Amino acid sequence: AQKVTQAQTEISVVEKEDVTLDCVYETRDTTYYLFWYKQPPSGELVFLIRRNSFDEQNEISGRYSWNFQKSTSSFNFTITASQVVDSAVYFCALGPGGAGSYQLTFGKGTKLSVIP
Amino acid sequence: GAGVSQTPSNKVTEKGKYVELRCDPISGHTALYWYRQSLGQGPEFLIYFQGTGAADDSGLPNDRFFAVRPEGSVSTLKIQRTERGDSAVYLCASSSGQTNTEAFFGQGTRLTVV
Repeated sequence: AQKVTQAQTEISVVEKEDVTLDCVYETRDTTYYLFWYKQPPSGELVFLIRRNSFDEQNEISGRYSWNFQKSTSSFNFTITASQVVDSAVYFCALGPGGAGSYQLTFGKGTKLSVIP
Repeated sequence: GAGVSQTPSNKVTEKGKYVELRCDPISGHTALYWYRQSLGQGPEFLIYFQGTGAADDSGLPNDRFFAVRPEGSVSTLKIQRTERGDSAVYLCASSSGQTNTEAFFGQGTRLTVV
């Protein structure tokens, strides 16, 4: 069974602070994919990143960075110098590897509020 | 349009009624997905189409739920004899169909059963 746990339900930070959103996953698959999505108040899920289970290199994209650690089954997301526009619900998701891997298992999300 | 379009954006219906929710995927996307998001939860998978056929409908909660995609483009999610527990945001997504390519989500239809 696939499971994604986002233990932080809500986080509030003051603008320009750094913030890390935690994600822990469970899977029996040897090949899988991990995702982060952002859901602003408009409701649309916005894709942020997809990471293959074989690639444990950390990734940085502007103010966003991701730390994938297979040993602890974690895929944490850090926003540096947070901005008010970062306020949203962030979802971590797990997808099976291989052909036809389309079904994502989402965590419950972390609501981030960035206070000006 | 450029993105996934879902209509209506909001739907209020009485318990026991039938509803249809529509999804217009991104042009050329062969894969289409329906998810359901209850309040305070992450989206839950319902059904996946590859072209016109439902490749996996294992997430549909019961036989009151049905979805079609007759021409491989627009999809309709149909719910019969709605119940208050069906109230949720129903999200549609599409992708190019290649393995694990990015799925683009629509803004969802908020269904309220009263």
